[in-house]
Amino acid sequence: GENVEQHPSTLSVQEGDSAVIKCTYSDSASNYFPWYKQELGKRPQLIIDIRSNVGEKKDQRIAVTLNKTAKHFSLHITETQPEDSAVYFCAASGTGNQFYFGTGTSLTVIP
Amino acid sequence: EAQVTQNPRYLITVTGKKLTVTCSQNMNHEYMSWYRQDPGLGLRQIYYSMNVEVTDKGDVPEGYKVSRKEKRNFPLILESPSPNQTSLYFCASSPDSPYEQYFGPGTRLTVT
Repeated sequence: GENVEQHPSTLSVQEGDSAVIKCTYSDSASNYFPWYKQELGKRPQLIIDIRSNVGEKKDQRIAVTLNKTAKHFSLHITETQPEDSAVYFCAASGTGNQFYFGTGTSLTVIP
Repeated sequence: EAQVTQNPRYLITVTGKKLTVTCSQNMNHEYMSWYRQDPGLGLRQIYYSMNVEVTDKGDVPEGYKVSRKEKRNFPLILESPSPNQTSLYFCASSPDSPYEQYFGPGTRLTVT
């Protein structure tokens, strides 16, 4: 099956700086790569996703990039704010409709 | 209001006592799935369903059963729970498998 690795496991940034979280995947057939944000005690919420026919997608301060050749994708958050503090999960899904998550990155934005 | 609901939200039980966690969605979604979340391991898929009467194993199906008799419901059954099934469980659904999954509020299960 698919193996999704996520780095770093923890990340601290100053408010206003950028944050980057990276994930790699193993199955070249994977074609859907979402990112979820989970605040403490709450459910994961989809914040952005990308499909394999696109290299980059942006939504305001959030962007995701995908490198299919290298099998990695990244989440970029610009102008970070304290409310961005949460755990972020990447995931990958392929032709089998199974879903594989990374192990999460705990982001802390320091005011 | 569009939502995914789970019941119960918290459950403490003993080893071997059968239990069911219900999941229901009111969005007419085709795809539904169950995950467990454990510290340091992220979320791992247990089972998923593409539609009524169609279910498939995820990454960690051992010790669990599911059924999809109606489109809106996807219960998770633990026939003989064991302490290693102590976890936080999430149900999710999406209109178009497996894209854009919406998660339920979670069920925290403790097996003693």
